[in-house]
Parts: sequence; structure tokens; C-alpha cells
Amino acid sequence: DTGVSQDPRHKITKRGQNVTFRCDPISEHNRLYWYRQTLGQGPEFLTYFQNEAQLEKSRLLSDRFSAERPKGSFSTLEIQRTEQGDSAMYLCASSFGPSAGGLTGELFFGEGSRLTVL
Amino acid sequence: TQLLEQSPQFLSIQEGENLTVYCNSSSVFSSLQWYRQEPGEGPVLLVTVVTGGEVKKLKRLTFQFGDARKDSSLHITAAQPGDTGLYLCAGGGGSNYKLTFGKGTLLTVNP
Repeated sequence: DTGVSQDPRHKITKRGQNVTFRCDPISEHNRLYWYRQTLGQGPEFLTYFQNEAQLEKSRLLSDRFSAERPKGSFSTLEIQRTEQGDSAMYLCASSFGPSAGGLTGELFFGEGSRLTVL
Repeated sequence: TQLLEQSPQFLSIQEGENLTVYCNSSSVFSSLQWYRQEPGEGPVLLVTVVTGGEVKKLKRLTFQFGDARKDSSLHITAAQPGDTGLYLCAGGGGSNYKLTFGKGTLLTVNP
């Protein structure tokens, strides 16, 4: 399978614990995105990388959240001191960089990592 | 902040019926994408529209981008149970490096 893969698919944790999610993008894609989706909502942008550089972080990404993409390959999203409000599906997506016309390419999403904070 | 409003939020119909869902914004988007998401899965791209007034057809699905590039519609003809899912529209802004998603329309097609 050469699609975007995320691990773990499900994570249940107690409030205050740290969790880390991993995303392996499609290998030839240089862009990687993290989105968060809660029940009844569309995905909300968290952050994105072009190669290994983190180019933007949403204000939704508090200082308890940190994302990395060492060597421009896989990425990790860590949440420290989890809160119940962090419960959501964390989606990773990858794409090629902009086309010649500067348009966002198709985003290929992984199946997501569902976090439940008790 | 660019916002996309989708309507209706929920839609339940019988197999064989036609339906239209809408995606509206007060902002202009350089491109607009439609995704379908099934429970427990990530969204999957259906189509990208980039030109005002553009119409694209994908089998029984017809997508239209408004002339002013602020709105879009998705029309499904003769819906089938396999069309059931969350339909999301997503707009690409001026920088075009991230997408803004609407909340989606949850479609249920009953056999």
C-alpha cells in the first residue's frame, strides 16, 4: 500500500498524559499537512510542512502541541498534557507542491488517528 | 478568516432520487475541491474546480463552480446507497498551500 499511513489508528489516554501520532506520507510528496476533525465538523488545519520545514501553524495548535518532520519524510504530532478537548480525529495528508498555476494539489489523506481523552 | 458554509447539514433520501448540496462563502477562492468521507476514514478527493462557471461531471455527480468563485454545488442523479457519506467542500486561498473545509453534508441514501 503506497498511500498515507497513520499510527496508531486509535488511542485512548487519561487526561494529563502525552500522546504521539505518526504519519508516513506518500514518498514522492513534498508537502505534509496535519488536520483535526471533531464530530460534526470538517477538518481544521493545524500545520503543514514543505519538506522538513514547518511553514505555518494554526492558532489551534497550542504550545502543548508540537509537530516535526525530520529529514522531510515521516512526521510526528505530539500532544503534551492532554485535555478532554483534545479528543478528535487527527488527520494527516500529503501532496505535491503547487502546480505551475500555483494551485493546491490534491490532498491524499490517511485514515486518521482517533484520540479519546478520558 | 475564510469560511465555507455547506447546506443542508443532513440529507436522507431514497435510492433513485436526485439531490443537490451547496457550498457557499463570502470569500473568493482560487480553487474549490469536493471530498467524500466515509465513517472512520480520511476524506477522498472527488473533483477540483478552478474556473468561475466551470462544470465538471463524474458519472452521476455534477459539480459546478459559481461565476464569482465564491460558491459551488454538487448534484447527484439517481442516488445509490453507495453514495452515502460526508461530502466536504474545501477552498484553496490565495497562498494555495492549505485548504479551508466546510462542515460537510452528511448524506444517507436508503435502499
